[in-house]
Amino acid sequence: DAGVIQSPRHEVTEMGQEVTLRCKPISGHNSLFWYRQTMMRGLELLIYFNNNVPIDDSGMPEDRFSAKMPNASFSTLKIQPSEPRDSAVYFCASSFAGTNEKLFFGSGTQLSVL
Amino acid sequence: GDSVTQMEGPVTLSEEAFLTINCTYTATGYPSLFWYVQYPGEGLQLLLKATKADDKGSNKGFEATYRKETTSFHLEKGSVQVSDSAVYFCALDSRDDKIIFGKGTRLHILP
Repeated sequence: DAGVIQSPRHEVTEMGQEVTLRCKPISGHNSLFWYRQTMMRGLELLIYFNNNVPIDDSGMPEDRFSAKMPNASFSTLKIQPSEPRDSAVYFCASSFAGTNEKLFFGSGTQLSVL
Repeated sequence: GDSVTQMEGPVTLSEEAFLTINCTYTATGYPSLFWYVQYPGEGLQLLLKATKADDKGSNKGFEATYRKETTSFHLEKGSVQVSDSAVYFCALDSRDDKIIFGKGTRLHILP
């Protein structure tokens, strides 16, 4: 298995533009997590899904952020409109059967909003 | 709510030095505890874990013991290498199936 796949690896955009980050979890995993990493705040959980259903989105910073998981093999995190303070590394992670004993992380998307 | 506190970095050591990175937690019940490592440009990966009190997790020369009485899970290694330079995250699994991470500790090992 190729692991958790995220795209793009790097995204540079201008303030006000829409940004869409993509994630393909490991096949068979039924939990998916979106994290944001910054120097100031460390690693923050934004939202997580179980069996494609959003379970907890309390970490989503504002209405500008939205996440979907239309099927077991794909998820998106969208920011509209983007702002400079959204600049961060966004990680997707997946795990199996809700045990969450081991999260597998993707390589992340480095987002820069100018 | 559940939380993890770990020592702030960066931590800079010479090769072959002894390493300790402190981690304490606050949680309801007895969560599983983890250390994850993040190498430059990569996502986090599990380094070791312990699922109950007095368990010792170990991997790649690193060790951590689940101490219920002090609510701690300190990471140790007897002799670090340059290749150990990375960011280390202490974490626990909370009751609502989330993994709660500490802020991370950056480790620099000098040759």
